[in-house]
Amino acid sequence: DIVMTQSPSSLAVSAGETVTINCKSSQSLFGSVRQKNYLAWYQQKPGQSPKLLIYLASTRESGVPDRFIGSGSGTDFTLTISSVQAEDLANYYCQQYYDTPWTFGGGTKLELK
Amino acid sequence: QVKLLQSGAALVKPGASVKMSCKASGYTFTDYWVSWVKQSHGKSLEWIGEIYPNSGATNFNEKFKGKATLTVDKSTSTAYMELSRLTSEDSAIYYCTRATTVAPDYWGQGVMVTVSS
Repeated sequence: DIVMTQSPSSLAVSAGETVTINCKSSQSLFGSVRQKNYLAWYQQKPGQSPKLLIYLASTRESGVPDRFIGSGSGTDFTLTISSVQAEDLANYYCQQYYDTPWTFGGGTKLELK
Repeated sequence: QVKLLQSGAALVKPGASVKMSCKASGYTFTDYWVSWVKQSHGKSLEWIGEIYPNSGATNFNEKFKGKATLTVDKSTSTAYMELSRLTSEDSAIYYCTRATTVAPDYWGQGVMVTVSS
């Protein structure tokens, strides 16, 4: 199975700050056929289902604010949230869908400082 | 719009089974795989498996083979997951998701399963 290692596990921020969440996979998620990285980012607020933010490592899902930026390739990926808003306080997960079983990172809890 | 409506919470005894549903609407049910994901309390997410409604083909996480059974009813656009021989380790929230070629995009609201005597 592909192991997804996410860091940090928690992050305390002030509104307006820029934050970076890292995700490392145990093998490359780059698919040679489509020339894309099969990596997604999700946001999960308490009591809610995960919400897709980013897919193919850097493509924002429709309706997601442009302050959410996904980057990276191969085995190293980053989710950057610029100018954090109070509504962004949540848990964030990376997920690989390069190969089954799909696997998720352990999550990053974004909290208010 | 796309919606996945899951059945309600379940309280079940150890050793019993539970079957939950996921009713899809707003898209052609048979065109997309439906995946199931487990989230234990306060923890991360685990992929259980997936089913292709058009053919009934399934893929499973080895960890959940023998534990989960996936089926569909195309006439009602509903996917089902049955969990058997329940233990306390199976207490969790279970989500169904619509799986596309780029990512699982839509998620159901989740079903909380509590295993307790």
